[in-house]
Amino acid sequence: EAGVVQSPRYKIIEKKQPVAFWCNPISGHNTLYWYLQNLGQGPELLIRYENEEAVDDSQLPKDRFSAERLKGVDSTLKIQPAELGDSAVYLCASSFGNTGELFFGEGSRLTVL
Amino acid sequence: RKEVEQDPGPFNVPEGATVAFNCTYSNSASQSFFWYRQDCRKEPKLLMSVYSSGNEDGRFTAQLNRASQYISLLIRDSKLSDSATYLCVVNDNQGGKLIFGQGTELSVKP
Repeated sequence: EAGVVQSPRYKIIEKKQPVAFWCNPISGHNTLYWYLQNLGQGPELLIRYENEEAVDDSQLPKDRFSAERLKGVDSTLKIQPAELGDSAVYLCASSFGNTGELFFGEGSRLTVL
Repeated sequence: RKEVEQDPGPFNVPEGATVAFNCTYSNSASQSFFWYRQDCRKEPKLLMSVYSSGNEDGRFTAQLNRASQYISLLIRDSKLSDSATYLCVVNDNQGGKLIFGQGTELSVKP
């Protein structure tokens, strides 16, 4: 069975440009997460979806970040405009309910120049 | 105070050594606890859940101390392949938000 799929794996952009990341969770997983991970730090939650509803977006910088999960399956995370400090790995994860076992994708590594 | 704090690393140990990691959490209402493992430039993966009575999985033992609000992970007979970053994770129980610690890096040397 396929795991969580993310794209792109790597993205290099100049500051003020927009960028979008895509995530396809494991089939049947109703909960989807976007995390941000900086070097040497643990993942930090940006947004959590249960089906198509964003149930926790308190940590999402809404002035420049947006996310959607249409139809409760795939999700897209967008940054517009990107800033230098946004350089990080953006991890998508999914789970079936809130068991605590998250399955992560390989991440999308963003470099903002 | 951070919600989840871990021992600062890195831990450099020889093969065969026993090593222990500690983690403290701030929310006394937290109910679920986990250890994740993250290899260099890879995604985190669940290593084991932590139960109130403590639990063991081969060379790995996880313990929970609710009174002191800390969780530990003990690795016996370290292998080279145990080299990774170990992340302590706490479910804050407010709608199931999982909070990760900053991770403790372990390097096992021959």
